[in-house]
Amino acid sequence: SAVISQKPSRDICQRGTSLTIQCQVDSQVTMMFWYRQQPGQSLTLIATANQGSEATYESGFVIDKFPISRPNLTFSTLTVSNMSPEDSSIYLCSAGDRGYEQYFGPGTRLTVT
Amino acid sequence: GNSVTQMEGPVTLSEEAFLTINCTYTATGYPSLFWYVQYPGEGLQLLLKATKADDKGSNKGFEATYRKETTSFHLEKGSVQVSDSAVYFCALFNQAGTALIFGKGTTLSVSS
Repeated sequence: SAVISQKPSRDICQRGTSLTIQCQVDSQVTMMFWYRQQPGQSLTLIATANQGSEATYESGFVIDKFPISRPNLTFSTLTVSNMSPEDSSIYLCSAGDRGYEQYFGPGTRLTVT
Repeated sequence: GNSVTQMEGPVTLSEEAFLTINCTYTATGYPSLFWYVQYPGEGLQLLLKATKADDKGSNKGFEATYRKETTSFHLEKGSVQVSDSAVYFCALFNQAGTALIFGKGTTLSVSS
């Protein structure tokens, strides 16, 4: 299994600003993902972070709002840009190898005021 | 595309009661199926999985059987504990076999 850490664990940000969330995996994995979990809701996939190329975004999510980097097989970042209160959510990083279970980080709890 | 439907909660039980959380799926082919658990204030943990029809996944007293004929993967535990209080998510892979698709989650609350 993979152990995943995220930083920061939580933050309170002002509207109009940006926050970058870091995700570190303790071993090399082929696939990394970013999910959003709005209060009391299930998980929604934002994008697949591709190593060395642009992320693949799900319908309703765009690169300008959620730029993602993945410089190597163990690290990825998600930026939430030009934040509004509607962006208040838990952001979760997950990782795994194709066709196998995914492991999740502890999440970043974001509040936008 | 692939999808999963999970019973609505919350589910409230007394300690040592029997638990069933229903999960049914729609999928092309026979994708692996998963149950994840989210304890208060934490991320998701993999609880159990099944990779093919008739497989039974089990962990920490929880069990779920991959039923192809009923397209179901119901979660069961014979005797719940207060420490089992959490949100439980049923999940399967998308058609590409890459990212997970989650059910809406079922909140379980166990009282002593």
